[in-house]
Amino acid sequence: QVQLQESGPGLVKASETLSLTCSVSGYSISSGYYWGWIRQPPVKGLEWIVSISHSGSTYYNPSLKSRVTISVDTSNNQFSLKLSSVTAADTAVYFCARIYGDNRIDYWGQGTLVTVSS
Amino acid sequence: QSVLTQPPSVSAAPGQKVTISCSGSSSNIGNNYVSWYQQLPGTAPKLLIYENNKRPSGIPDRFSGSKSGTSATLGITGLQTGDEADYYCGTWDSSLSANWVFGGGTKLTVL
Repeated sequence: QVQLQESGPGLVKASETLSLTCSVSGYSISSGYYWGWIRQPPVKGLEWIVSISHSGSTYYNPSLKSRVTISVDTSNNQFSLKLSSVTAADTAVYFCARIYGDNRIDYWGQGTLVTVSS
Repeated sequence: QSVLTQPPSVSAAPGQKVTISCSGSSSNIGNNYVSWYQQLPGTAPKLLIYENNKRPSGIPDRFSGSKSGTSATLGITGLQTGDEADYYCGTWDSSLSANWVFGGGTKLTVL
């Protein structure tokens, strides 16, 4: 069974960089698929942020691209997100997920709340 | 404002049927598969339907999906109180800046 688990600080100061890591078990990242991040502001809908393949190909949400960095660590079966220059609008639950290309998002992490403080 | 349009809420009585619509354009729903996600309160979204009308293993056949043109529909029959959740449609958008897009979500209330 594929499982994903997000980790990282739950509180980030405005203008700083949000950093999260997703640890994957039950499937080797290097075997394929895309891996990505999706967020959900409080009481709002889902917003896709970015996806990366095991080989490093990436797709970005155009509205966030200038602030987003994603990387894969196949040796530890993890992938990471960095979002720079955060503001209160970046406060959200951040989910990591396995993405079947342009087809479906089939496994999700439980999500982690990141609050941006002023 | 979401790229895909869903009704904010729907409701029906236990045992009844409900449908949730999802409207897009030729760059997304019109030329790509639609998937649907169920988000129970306080939990992560869960894949419910993929490739417009296919159910992952473990999803009961009370849940169904369809697509026509630039719109898609999720159907739920034999409503149960445990179906109360937010439902999201999602698809790939093949425009210049290719990316995943979602609907704004529909809150299902089982009266």
